[in-house]
Amino acid sequence: EAGVAQSPRYKIIEKRQSVAFWCNPISGHATLYWYQQILGQGPKLLIQFQNNGVVDDSQLPKDRFSAERLKGVDSTLKIQPAKLEDSAVYLCASSLDPSGGDGYWVEQYFGPGTRLTVT
Amino acid sequence: GNSVTQMEGPVTLSEEAFLTINCTYTATGYPSLFWYVQYPGEGLQLLLKATKADDKGSNKGFEATYRKETTSFHLEKGSVQVSDSAVYFCALSDYKLSFGAGTTVTVRA
Repeated sequence: EAGVAQSPRYKIIEKRQSVAFWCNPISGHATLYWYQQILGQGPKLLIQFQNNGVVDDSQLPKDRFSAERLKGVDSTLKIQPAKLEDSAVYLCASSLDPSGGDGYWVEQYFGPGTRLTVT
Repeated sequence: GNSVTQMEGPVTLSEEAFLTINCTYTATGYPSLFWYVQYPGEGLQLLLKATKADDKGSNKGFEATYRKETTSFHLEKGSVQVSDSAVYFCALSDYKLSFGAGTTVTVRA
């Protein structure tokens, strides 16, 4: 079974430029997540999609970050304009539908990430 | 809010040594607890999990027990190998994953 695919793997841009990342989740996974992992920190959830609807984007800096998941499959995350502090690894993950009562959990499968350097 | 605090690294060990990585958490309710591992050049992978108090998660010789009384989920392995060199993340979930900062472990032959 193919895993979560991300591209590009590496990107270097100057501040104030724009950049986009692409993610293709595991086939059949309805839920897709974007995380930001700054060096020396754990991943932080930016946005969660359920099919093509947004479930949680409370930690997405909406003045410069945007994400979409057209047709409920692939997703793109965009930064415009980029700042130095956006330098990080951007991880995409996918999972089956979470459902059920309290404590129910579904495994998230992570892609290899895109390492962004803003100079 | 929910948070996870894990032992700072880096940790360097010799092969066959005993490994412990401490993890404590703060949460409302009854979260599930996890250890994720990131091998060099690879994506994050789930190593083990525990979904309720006193549960023990285990995989690949690693173990961790969900201790509600001490709000801890320490990771242990009795005899590490060079192939265990990786970054280990403790995490909790109450519908959303919250990760610790990660601990880099290097095992030398």
